[in-house]
Parts: sequence; structure tokens; C-alpha cells
Amino acid sequence: DAGVTQSPTHLIKTRGQQVTLRCSPKSGHDTVSWYQQALGQGPQFIFQYYEEEERQRGNFPDRFSGHQFPNYSSELNVNALLLGDSALYLCASSSNGGRAYTEAFFGQGTRLTVV
Amino acid sequence: GNSVTQMEGPVTLSEEAFLTINCTYTATGYPSLFWYVQYPGEGLQLLLKATKADDKGSNKGFEATYRKETTSFHLEKGSVQVSDSAVYFCALTTTGNQFYFGTGTSLTVIP
Repeated sequence: DAGVTQSPTHLIKTRGQQVTLRCSPKSGHDTVSWYQQALGQGPQFIFQYYEEEERQRGNFPDRFSGHQFPNYSSELNVNALLLGDSALYLCASSSNGGRAYTEAFFGQGTRLTVV
Repeated sequence: GNSVTQMEGPVTLSEEAFLTINCTYTATGYPSLFWYVQYPGEGLQLLLKATKADDKGSNKGFEATYRKETTSFHLEKGSVQVSDSAVYFCALTTTGNQFYFGTGTSLTVIP
């Protein structure tokens, strides 16, 4: 079992550019969540996708958008990058199906640096 | 709302010392509580969890008890090892959809 895989592992972008991060969930999981972890902080919830729709969203601007594909993989897109978007972006997968108390499995993350 | 407050670090201990990392929470509804660990350069790994009051989660010598009366979920280990050096995050969820994390506590264990 490959677990949750994210790509790329690192990337550097220029302020104002757009970026796409990718996530493949753990086998058997149908729900993908994205988190932003700034240096020295805990992860902050961006949004969650289930059945190819955004089910819940945290306190992030519309510059952050996502997509889930029929195979449950997901993308996170960030437009008009700001220096403050520099962070580790974590993908978490689970098999909620709407049920509570489900363990989330996290990927290794994508380290985004905006210069 | 939902939030988690963790003991500030960093924490430095000698090998075989006793570890406690404090965690308190505020939640609407009935949360499940978790401890995640993050090793340098890696993502988060689930360490242990508890889904209802008085439950004790345990794994790899670590344990934490869900205390509803004090809204706490303190992490303990009787004898730490160098390999336990990492950042520890306390977290909760009430719906399974969104996890709320503390700011993390960095632990360094010296031989």
C-alpha cells in the first residue's frame, strides 16, 4: 500500500504565479482534505473533497481552489501567489463517507516557496 | 468554536526521562481527540487517538486519556528514547471532515 502520495515534493514559484499540487489518496479512501502548515505552526484546514465536490471549506480566500477526480485523486490550485503562501501543503485522505471519527492519513507534503 | 491549545516548546529531555506534553481543547459537540507526530522533513503520522470520554489511547509506549471534565488530552511516555525526537501535534475533530490542530510541541531527546 503506497499510502498518500503527493507531488511535487518541493517547488519554487514567483509571486503572482499560479501553482497546482497533486495528491493520490490511500487505497480504499474516497475523501481528500488539504491543509496548509506554515513554518512552526500546526496545519490549517483549507478544504475537503468528497464525491468530486467541495464538502467543507476553511478560512482561505478564493485564490485557493481544488478538484477531485473520479479516481479520488485531487489537486490544489493557488492563484496569484503571495509570499505568505509559502508553506508545507499536506494532503490527508480518509474513508469518511460522511461518517465521523475517521482517522486521516497524511502525505509527506509539498513544500512551496514563493519568492 | 473548536480549538486546541498545546504546551509550548521546545522540550529537551535526557534519554529515559518521563515525558508529558499538555493539551487542552475547546469543542462544540463531542470531539474525537488525536496525537500526531511529525519527524523532520515528513508528513504527519497518527500516534494515538480516543473517541469518547475516559478512553485511553496508546501506542509505542505513549498514552493519553480523554478527560472531558478538564477538557484535556495530555500525552505521556514513561521513558523517552532518542528516536522519539519529533514535533507532536494534538488535534480534534467533531465531524471527521475538519481537523483542528495545536501549534505543535518540539521534543528533543539527548543521549
